[in-house]
Amino acid sequence: DAGVTQSPTHLIKTRGQQVTLRCSPKSGHDTVSWYQQALGQGPQFIFQYYEEEERQRGNFPDRFSGHQFPNYSSELNVNALLLGDSALYLCASSLDTGTAHTDTQYFGPGTRLTVL
Amino acid sequence: AQKITQTQPGMFVQEKEAVTLDCTYDTSDPSYGLFWYKQPSSGEMIFLIYQGSYDQQNATEGRYSLNFQKARKSANLVISASQLGDSAMYFCAILGLSGGYNKLIFGAGTRLAVHP
Repeated sequence: DAGVTQSPTHLIKTRGQQVTLRCSPKSGHDTVSWYQQALGQGPQFIFQYYEEEERQRGNFPDRFSGHQFPNYSSELNVNALLLGDSALYLCASSLDTGTAHTDTQYFGPGTRLTVL
Repeated sequence: AQKITQTQPGMFVQEKEAVTLDCTYDTSDPSYGLFWYKQPSSGEMIFLIYQGSYDQQNATEGRYSLNFQKARKSANLVISASQLGDSAMYFCAILGLSGGYNKLIFGAGTRLAVHP
């Protein structure tokens, strides 16, 4: 049973550039959430996708956007990169059971983004 | 608003001993879920255990158990018979209505070091 996969593993970009991160959910899952984890902190919620729509968004600027495809995989796009965007980006997948507070989110290995 | 507090930045334990990692939470939601994740140095967040707010029994998963005290709003993780591979960061997180039921809110984490 394949778990959550993310690509690439590492990425180095310069300020002002754009980046796209990819995530494939665990088999059987239909919901994908993205988190940003700065060094030494807990993950912060960026947004969640369900049925190819952004269902909820955290306190992140519009430079952060995403997409979910019909096969439930997802992309996170960040435009006009800033030095402060350097972080570990984690994708999590879950199955929407209709009882949301029981829906366990399973995480991928993350993409480590460095902005120079 | 929901909040998770982990007051132990670092903990040490001898191999084969038990250790308790503290977690207190703040929420006014009637229904919520509490989760513990392990993050090794590789970066992947590994789901360990879940406790629902209405669950009568404390959750257990192998060597992991959750000491859930609802009135005190605490959800401490107990790891029995510690192993060297348990050395990692441990995060407590909550999922509830205030967070839109989709957003995991994490604490700052506790770094556990297991000594031989």
